[in-house]
Amino acid sequence: EAGVAQSPRYKIIEKRQSVAFWCNPISGHATLYWYQQILGQGPKLLIQFQNNGVVDDSQLPKDRFSAERLKGVDSTLKIQPAKLEDSAVYLCASSLDYSGGEETQYFGPGTRLLVL
Amino acid sequence: AQSVSQHNHHVILSEAASLELGCNYSYGGTVNLFWYVQYPGQHLQLLLKYFSGDPLVKGIKGFEAEFIKSKFSFNLRKPSVQWSDTAEYFCAVNGGYSSASKIIFGSGTRLSIRP
Repeated sequence: EAGVAQSPRYKIIEKRQSVAFWCNPISGHATLYWYQQILGQGPKLLIQFQNNGVVDDSQLPKDRFSAERLKGVDSTLKIQPAKLEDSAVYLCASSLDYSGGEETQYFGPGTRLLVL
Repeated sequence: AQSVSQHNHHVILSEAASLELGCNYSYGGTVNLFWYVQYPGQHLQLLLKYFSGDPLVKGIKGFEAEFIKSKFSFNLRKPSVQWSDTAEYFCAVNGGYSSASKIIFGSGTRLSIRP
């Protein structure tokens, strides 16, 4: 079974530039998550999709971050414009369904972003 | 607000030593609890989880964790560690089905095993 795919794996940009990350979840997984993991911290949920609808985006800085999941499969996360504090690893995860929190999440390799 | 505390940031043990990593959470309702592990160069993956039933949960690779509701704790244990257990371990919690709250991760504990 193929895992969660993410690209690019690394990205270096200057502040105020834009960047986009792509995620392809495990086939058949209805729920998709984007996390931000700053060095020395645990992953922080940015947004959760159930199919192509948003379940939770309470921690997404909506003035600069946006995410979409067209057709309920692939997803993109965009930052525009980037700030220095956005330097982090951006993790995508998927789960079979949303069953109230019991479900196992499968994580991708992450995209390491450095903002200069 | 929900929170998860992992008080040990870095633990160093010798092979065959026993392991206990602490995890305490702050949440007033029903919870689901998880331990995820990230081996060097690999993705985060689930080690074990608790959502109901027996508070002693068995996971992969000989790990177990015990949910103690009165102490708001979900400590991870292994009786005898191996060099291959070197990894970063994350405790996580979310509310039960009735609240449908988002998952919160702790800051992680880095485990280094001396061969």
